[in-house]
Amino acid sequence: DAKTTQPPSMDCAEGRAANLPCNHSTISGNEYVYWYRQIHSQGPQYIIHGLKNNETNEMASLIITEDRKSSTLILPHATLRDTAVYYCIVRVADFGNEKLTFGTGTRLTIIP
Amino acid sequence: DTEVTQTPKHLVMGMTNKKSLKCEQHMGHRAMYWYKQKAKKPPELMFVYSYEKLSINESVPSRFSPECPNSSLLNLHLHALQPEDSALYLCASSSRQGVVGEQFFGPGTRLTVL
Repeated sequence: DAKTTQPPSMDCAEGRAANLPCNHSTISGNEYVYWYRQIHSQGPQYIIHGLKNNETNEMASLIITEDRKSSTLILPHATLRDTAVYYCIVRVADFGNEKLTFGTGTRLTIIP
Repeated sequence: DTEVTQTPKHLVMGMTNKKSLKCEQHMGHRAMYWYKQKAKKPPELMFVYSYEKLSINESVPSRFSPECPNSSLLNLHLHALQPEDSALYLCASSSRQGVVGEQFFGPGTRLTVL
């Protein structure tokens, strides 16, 4: 699976959009970009994933550059409950052989 | 029911003890996983079970022994652990249907080896 690079930490004001970048310059054509987050003392939680196109769900939006070498997770209106470690993971979607390889992630702190 | 449950929440054991961690899901998922997470580190995959068969073992020491008795249950048997095995042990499951690649995680068992 391709390696990802994320900033170790970020702050965001409550109510503002939080934009979390991820570099994955060695991504292969069949690899998806997944985002998970882990709130303190809980198990990781799936947020969103995408292949080429931008994606949006009730939690977040995912913007993938045209060359697919980087992506940005956007939390549109951050709340204090969004304080967590956010992991960007790049992998092939292969059921039953799924290795989620977590990098060090970005520790996002939402400031009141 | 969209939960993965893990018991116990906390476990303290000596190096000569034998204990087991239990994970259960009733979402009909046919893949289940064990991860290990040391303090301030990301989770690391240990084992993957697919349709109740072990499909991935990430070179985990034999003192950790996984078992999948049925499609809803996953155990991790522990024997002769070392203090460095103290960590949060996370279980997850996933389905071929729905979002491919989405894994549902339990809250974890926090293990302390004395």
